[in-house]
Amino acid sequence: AQRVTQPEKLLSVFKGAPVELKCNYSYSGSPELFWYVQYSRQRLQLLLRHISRESIKGFTADLNKGETSFHLKKPFAQEEDSAMYYCALNGGYNKLIFGAGTRLAVHP
Amino acid sequence: DAGVIQSPRHEVTEMGQEVTLRCKPISGHNSLFWYRQTMMRGLELLIYFNNNVPIDDSGMPEDRFSAKMPNASFSTLKIQPSEPRDSAVYFCASSYGGQATEAFFGQGTRLTVV
Repeated sequence: AQRVTQPEKLLSVFKGAPVELKCNYSYSGSPELFWYVQYSRQRLQLLLRHISRESIKGFTADLNKGETSFHLKKPFAQEEDSAMYYCALNGGYNKLIFGAGTRLAVHP
Repeated sequence: DAGVIQSPRHEVTEMGQEVTLRCKPISGHNSLFWYRQTMMRGLELLIYFNNNVPIDDSGMPEDRFSAKMPNASFSTLKIQPSEPRDSAVYFCASSYGGQATEAFFGQGTRLTVV
């Protein structure tokens, strides 16, 4: 079965604290994984994809096939990082299967 | 390009009425997706099209839901008759085929069925 699990509905941290948003997946084959972000009153947009191995806005995510995980990390959270974060898996034909999402709240 | 355009942005309708949501994908994109977002179930894929052809509609909840893509620049999602449990935000997204392609989302249509 193709599935994405984000165990935390809400992650609340203070500005400057490290952040890790967890994502686990279930997929038979070589997965393509993404993180999408939805800021308040904005449309859902791509944050990063595992294939690019890039850092966007200070965020990174490493694909761990052994643990079937793709956790999103940032060493020092900023208030402007507050948003809804979705982990997504390409289920074929670029069809995205999303996790339930984690709301990140960064407090001053 | 203005991105993926959805209309209307908000729709309030009475139970039993027909509702039609519209989507204009980004020009040149060959895949189009309809998603539904609720607090309880998160983002669910309802249906997706590739080159205007429906590929997988297994996410469409009931026969009350139907979707069409008559051409590469327009798609509709219709609910007839609508029910209060259909209240949600409906998103349309488009992408161009290729490995790990980014999906571009519209602003969504917030549907309230009373």
